[in-house]
Amino acid sequence: AQSVAQPEDQVNVAEGNPLTVKCTYSVSGNPYLFWYVQYPNRGLQFLLKYITGDNLVKGSYGFEAEFNKSQTSFHLKKPSALVSDSALYFCAVRDKAGNNRKLIWGLGTSLAVNP
Amino acid sequence: EAGVAQSPRYKIIEKRQSVAFWCNPISGHATLYWYQQILGQGPKLLIQFQNNGVVDDSQLPKDRFSAERLKGVDSTLKIQPAKLEDSAVYLCASSTLWRATSYEQYFGPGTRLTVT
Repeated sequence: AQSVAQPEDQVNVAEGNPLTVKCTYSVSGNPYLFWYVQYPNRGLQFLLKYITGDNLVKGSYGFEAEFNKSQTSFHLKKPSALVSDSALYFCAVRDKAGNNRKLIWGLGTSLAVNP
Repeated sequence: EAGVAQSPRYKIIEKRQSVAFWCNPISGHATLYWYQQILGQGPKLLIQFQNNGVVDDSQLPKDRFSAERLKGVDSTLKIQPAKLEDSAVYLCASSTLWRATSYEQYFGPGTRLTVT
């Protein structure tokens, strides 16, 4: 069965420290991978995506993510966290194979950046 | 460019009442999605339109939910009658092409529905 897992419900990090939000996936075929962020009372905003090519992708607001096929992971990273990065982060995957073009969403990880 | 617009932002109704949500996608976006997001969960796709045709409504509870996208632009999602478990945020999103599965979706601010 296709699935996305975000193993941490919450991540706490001090401002200025590096942050990592984890995501692992299980899909048939090669995946398209996405990260979205949701600020309080706001809709989801696209951060970045991996389609093909370089395993390290860069996105909005200084975020980047590393695709690791052997570990089926797509962890979100930022070298230096800001208080304003505090939000809910969702990993999603879309299966390129077959006719299933839905986005499969993780349950989200709440990131708290402490000043 | 203007983003995805949704209204209302908040709605409180009693169970068994009806409610409708409106969405205006980004100009030129042929694909429109309605999602349901229950607190603590990821978004759940309810229905996907390509222009004014339905691409996927496999998770839409058709006995009480309906959606339409007349003229391939604006869309409305209706619940009739509402149940307590329908309390959620209803998100509308749009994207440029549905066959190019790499294209990201752009979301509106959502409508927070509370059913009492």
